[in-house]
Amino acid sequence: QVQLVESGGGLVKPGGSLTLSCAASGFTFREYYMSWIRQTPGRGLEWVAYITSTGSSIYYADSVKGRFTISRDNAKNSVYLQMNNLRADDTAVYYCAREGDTSSWYWDYWGQGSLVTVSS
Amino acid sequence: QSVLTQPPSVSGAPGQRVTISCRGSSSNFGAGYDVNWYRHLPGEAPKLLIFGDNRRPAGVPARFSGSKSDSSASLAITGLQAEDEGDYYCQSSDTTLRAIFGEGTRVTVL
Repeated sequence: QVQLVESGGGLVKPGGSLTLSCAASGFTFREYYMSWIRQTPGRGLEWVAYITSTGSSIYYADSVKGRFTISRDNAKNSVYLQMNNLRADDTAVYYCAREGDTSSWYWDYWGQGSLVTVSS
Repeated sequence: QSVLTQPPSVSGAPGQRVTISCRGSSSNFGAGYDVNWYRHLPGEAPKLLIFGDNRRPAGVPARFSGSKSDSSASLAITGLQAEDEGDYYCQSSDTTLRAIFGEGTRVTVL
């Protein structure tokens, strides 16, 4: 069955960096577009970043553009989110999610999430 | 502030029908982008309930149905069950913002 397992979350000071990883299994990873989506306290779900199957196209939400980098390693069935210059409002549970159909912008499988807390 | 507007909460007795509205605009629904719906329970992964306005993924009960018209969409749950409690989010794309989510609606079974 499809599984997405995030790791790498934790407590980081404002201005710090963190890299999240998402290990995928149960499907042909290299054929799917992937995204990172976060849930911030009291503010619901927010799409963060998106990468196509080969990594040839990448998109970011304006709130993270220039600070976050999404990447993937199809040989390792993994997608990553490198987060730099973190701010308090980046505190959230970060989910990796698989896109249901190519360029459909909906997600049919999500991981359990990884908590990132930005605080001094 | 989200560009998709949902009511904060809806409630119903077991067996009843409830609907959750999601109001968009000309830059998302009005531009032809699909609406998708998810349920999110605390500590769990969000679950896709409806995609492409009104299509159900395999395994989602027929009690869940979606519709969209002009700049509004709705999710209906018939035969409400205790297990349906949770937070429900509509989601679409936008001409400028890529993917967007509604603020979420808490469904309570009385």
